Amino acid sequence: GAVVSQHPSRVICKSGTSVKIECRSLDFQATTMFWYRQFPKKSLMLMATSNEGSKATYEQGVEKDKFLINHASLTLSTLTVTSAHPEDSSFYICSAASGTTGELFFGEGSRLTVL
Amino acid sequence: EDQVTQSPEALRLQEGESSSLNCSYTVSGLRGLFWYRQDPGKGPEFLFTLYSAGEEKEKERLKATLTKKESFLHITAPKPEDSATYLCAVLSTGGGNKLTFGTGTQLKVEL
Repeated sequence: GAVVSQHPSRVICKSGTSVKIECRSLDFQATTMFWYRQFPKKSLMLMATSNEGSKATYEQGVEKDKFLINHASLTLSTLTVTSAHPEDSSFYICSAASGTTGELFFGEGSRLTVL
Repeated sequence: EDQVTQSPEALRLQEGESSSLNCSYTVSGLRGLFWYRQDPGKGPEFLFTLYSAGEEKEKERLKATLTKKESFLHITAPKPEDSATYLCAVLSTGGGNKLTFGTGTQLKVEL
């Protein structure tokens, strides 16, 4: 089946630094990618939707200058958490929609810990 | 606004003890209802998509059903390896391409 790869799976950083998380669709072209945030024992909360070659659409309450999303190609989207603070610590998950079938596949998630 | 409510929040079963998980939804128009399995520290793993009331899908010990208001995930004779959080999500006509997730049911199957 289709695979979506996220990297890194775990990252620990100091407060004030920026962290980049990559999301790649390995065997299909993803016209749309989604970024979610998940708190412990909570549901996935959609942060933003990105379409290849255009600006991301952010959900209400998500700071676009804080969470920079780039979808430069049909197989890669990146989420950069800028000037990270401890409250940004969370589990970030991406998903990619196949341009052919529309089916949605999820990455393995990235655990961010900001000290 | 689309809403998805899952129950119970947590469920503990003995191996072989069949049960059902519930997903109630309120949407403007259902395009699809999805079931995912999520293991700790991992991303959701796709299980099923249901599109219309009356539809059923099966995979090994799991069977998903759909009505106009809710979906059930039936687990028959579960094994410890079925332990995970099961997430339900909906795609609606009013929600664009966005999935709305429930908070999940944390299932633990014991020997």
